[in-house]
Amino acid sequence: EDQVTQSPEALRLQEGESSSLNCSYTVSGLRGLFWYRQDPGKGPEFLFTLYSAGEEKEKERLKATLTKKESFLHITAPKPEDSATYLCAVQATGGGNKLTFGTGTQLKVEL
Amino acid sequence: DSGVTQTPKHLITATGQRVTLRCSPRSGDLSVYWYQQSLDQGLQFLIQYYNGEERAKGNILERFSAQQFPDLHSELNLSSLELGDSALYFCASSALKAGGNTGELFFGEGSRLTVL
Repeated sequence: EDQVTQSPEALRLQEGESSSLNCSYTVSGLRGLFWYRQDPGKGPEFLFTLYSAGEEKEKERLKATLTKKESFLHITAPKPEDSATYLCAVQATGGGNKLTFGTGTQLKVEL
Repeated sequence: DSGVTQTPKHLITATGQRVTLRCSPRSGDLSVYWYQQSLDQGLQFLIQYYNGEERAKGNILERFSAQQFPDLHSELNLSSLELGDSALYFCASSALKAGGNTGELFFGEGSRLTVL
């Protein structure tokens, strides 16, 4: 069974204090790994897709990386508007379009 | 705004009752997904439809059913409701082409179901 574990569960940063969120996964064959952002009371919003180990994607202050067992979401010089829950999901080969999500990291960036 | 519309936003009902949640996908998207989000289990995949046909099924209870209509909107029916069914129910759509695959989903804002 596909599994996704995210850590930490919650993270509090000062504005400008860079950090990383971790997503460890177990999947029979990885078709893709996805990062989503979810604001309170909203649906998840797609951020990145990573397909193979060594791949990196960047968007503003966010950079996602992938190894064979985990993915990191690096947040550089975060701002309060980066506060949200960040969700990681995997899609397995032969699993159709189903995404298996982790429970997320709740990030709060303070002034 | 993702372009995915879900109604109702909030629903309070009693155990044993039946409710229907509605979803309109983004214009042009043929694929619709339903997910359940609870505090302790995160987002759980329920079911996927593509152009009116069931494409994939997750851990969806037998008390739950869904369908996608010719105009591509979808409904999720939840019956014999239990306290544990209280959750956020999300619909998502994707620009999935026939035989294709994508994990880039566009989520609606969800329907919050409270069963008392």
